[in-house]
Amino acid sequence: SAVISQKPSRDICQRGTSLTIQCQVDSQVTMMFWYRQQPGQSLTLIATANQGSEATYESGFVIDKFPISRPNLTFSTLTVSNMSPEDSSIYLCSVNLQGWNTEAFFGQGTRLTVV
Amino acid sequence: GESVGLHLPTLSVQEGDNSIINCAYSNSASDYFIWYKQESGKGPQFIIDIRSNMDKRQGQRVTVLLNKTVKHLSLQIAATQPGDSAVYFCAENTRGSNYKLTFGKGTLLTVNP
Repeated sequence: SAVISQKPSRDICQRGTSLTIQCQVDSQVTMMFWYRQQPGQSLTLIATANQGSEATYESGFVIDKFPISRPNLTFSTLTVSNMSPEDSSIYLCSVNLQGWNTEAFFGQGTRLTVV
Repeated sequence: GESVGLHLPTLSVQEGDNSIINCAYSNSASDYFIWYKQESGKGPQFIIDIRSNMDKRQGQRVTVLLNKTVKHLSLQIAATQPGDSAVYFCAENTRGSNYKLTFGKGTLLTVNP
């Protein structure tokens, strides 16, 4: 298994500002992912954070809005830029340790409220 | 695009009863399925998984059934306890999807004491 720590656990931000969320894993992992979970909804994949290269974004998500860093195999950040109330969500970091047909582990999430 | 969905958004049961949570998927190429439990304020927690070459898998108090013919997945929880109250998500992965999971809508399970 993996222990994943996210910071901050929650924040309230003003519209137009940016927030950077950190994800720290207790072991080296190749595959790291960022998900968004809007209120009362399921999880939607934002992007795959690739170590040593640019993140791979899913349809509907762009790098200018959600820049991602992956400086090493245990750490990643997701920035939510120029925030609006529609960005109010839980943002979750996830890792996969062993392969496509094994479970992914999740951090506790960052609950973001934009006012 | 293809997606994974759920039949029931909410399920309320009495403590001690068995619970069944259902999930329909549309991607016939899906070959790995996971059930996650998400408690309030927490990230999803792995419960049980099943590969497409199986139709049943059992864990502690939980059983997952897979019917590939009708593309249906279910999670059975035996002797449901108040601590089982949470939102349950099914998720699927496909060989070649680069480890990405597609999540269903979720079912809120409430266990009444």
